[in-house]
Amino acid sequence: DAGVIQSPRHEVTEMGQEVTLRCKPISGHNSLFWYRQTMMRGLELLIYFNNNVPIDDSGMPEDRFSAKMPNASFSTLKIQPSEPRDSAVYFCATSGGSGNTIYFGEGSWLTVV
Amino acid sequence: AQRVTQPEKLLSVFKGAPVELKCNYSYSGSPELFWYVQYSRQRLQLLLRHISRESIKGFTADLNKGETSFHLKKPFAQEEDSAMYYCALSATSYGKLTFGQGTILTVHP
Repeated sequence: DAGVIQSPRHEVTEMGQEVTLRCKPISGHNSLFWYRQTMMRGLELLIYFNNNVPIDDSGMPEDRFSAKMPNASFSTLKIQPSEPRDSAVYFCATSGGSGNTIYFGEGSWLTVV
Repeated sequence: AQRVTQPEKLLSVFKGAPVELKCNYSYSGSPELFWYVQYSRQRLQLLLRHISRESIKGFTADLNKGETSFHLKKPFAQEEDSAMYYCALSATSYGKLTFGQGTILTVHP
């Protein structure tokens, strides 16, 4: 398996633009997590899904952030409109559920100027 | 609610010296504890988990429920151990991880 696949790996965008980050989970994994990593706050859980259903989105910072999982093999995290303070590394991670290891993607490095 | 605390943001040691990265947690039930490592600009990788009780790359960690700690140890640090280390706790049926703030370990030659 190729592991958790994220795209784009790097994105530089202007403030106010829409940003869409994509994630393809490991086949068979039914839990999917979106994390944000910054120097100031470390790793923050934004939202997670189980069997394509959002379970907890309390970590989503604002209404500008939204996430979807239309099927078991794809998820998106969207920021609209983007702001400079959204600059961070966004990680997607998946697991087979309780007791299973969580595997991380390589991250999407977002810079909003 | 669960919480993970890594008191040291930065830790520097010399090659061959012992290293201990501290992790304390708060959770009322029986948690599952993990250590993840992130090498420069790479993805987080699982280093070890307490239930497997194995040693990876010479690292070990023992869960101490009395002290609510899960410190990571290695008797002889190597330069390639330089990385960010995250302690994490899983306490839900979905496997959600709560991470500490991370410790940047630098091993000097």
